[in-house]
Amino acid sequence: EAQVTQNPRYLITVTGKKLTVTCSQNMNHEYMSWYRQDPGLGLRQIYYSMNVEVTDKGDVPEGYKVSRKEKRNFPLILESPSPNQTSLYFCASSSRLAGEFRGELFFGEGSRLTVL
Amino acid sequence: GNSVTQMEGPVTLSEEAFLTINCTYTATGYPSLFWYVQYPGEGLQLLLKATKADDKGSNKGFEATYRKETTSFHLEKGSVQVSDSAVYFCALSGSGTSYGKLTFGQGTILTVHP
Repeated sequence: EAQVTQNPRYLITVTGKKLTVTCSQNMNHEYMSWYRQDPGLGLRQIYYSMNVEVTDKGDVPEGYKVSRKEKRNFPLILESPSPNQTSLYFCASSSRLAGEFRGELFFGEGSRLTVL
Repeated sequence: GNSVTQMEGPVTLSEEAFLTINCTYTATGYPSLFWYVQYPGEGLQLLLKATKADDKGSNKGFEATYRKETTSFHLEKGSVQVSDSAVYFCALSGSGTSYGKLTFGQGTILTVHP
């Protein structure tokens, strides 16, 4: 089954304790991206990656890191989490038709993070 | 930068009513436009898309037309069902220097009562 898998789905942590949210896709997609969803703000893009070893900042990258060492994985790293990073996080992937990114995303089920 | 503005919700309708959710955008170049739907407790799913001016996207009875002159991409459905209750997001895919960046609206909560 084609899917994007995120872990953990739920996490409560404390300020400053490094954490990683993993994301893996089994569709051989070149493009992957992370979003955070907050009430009244919709989804905001954190980072995206067009292919292995290529990453770019989205609209709200501060406080986050990513890496893309393999095509299927795109982990989101919070080096020193703060309470304002409490949010619902989504990973998404997409194919590139004839090299073109089309914006048609497949989303994971989300990871709800609480930072105390 | 690019931006997407959706009508404020929530929207509450009776079954079989007509639905319109307004979406307007600001973007440079020639963006592609999308509607995504999020059912409770799930991730987003692509509902429909349009890649150029005057294109009409359609799926599951929903339609939206890419209007460049009014920078709009309003979502419509002639007769909603209880199962359409969800959050709907309008989005655009940037071009040029914004290539690869997807910008979402704030989302509109739709509740349909029997």
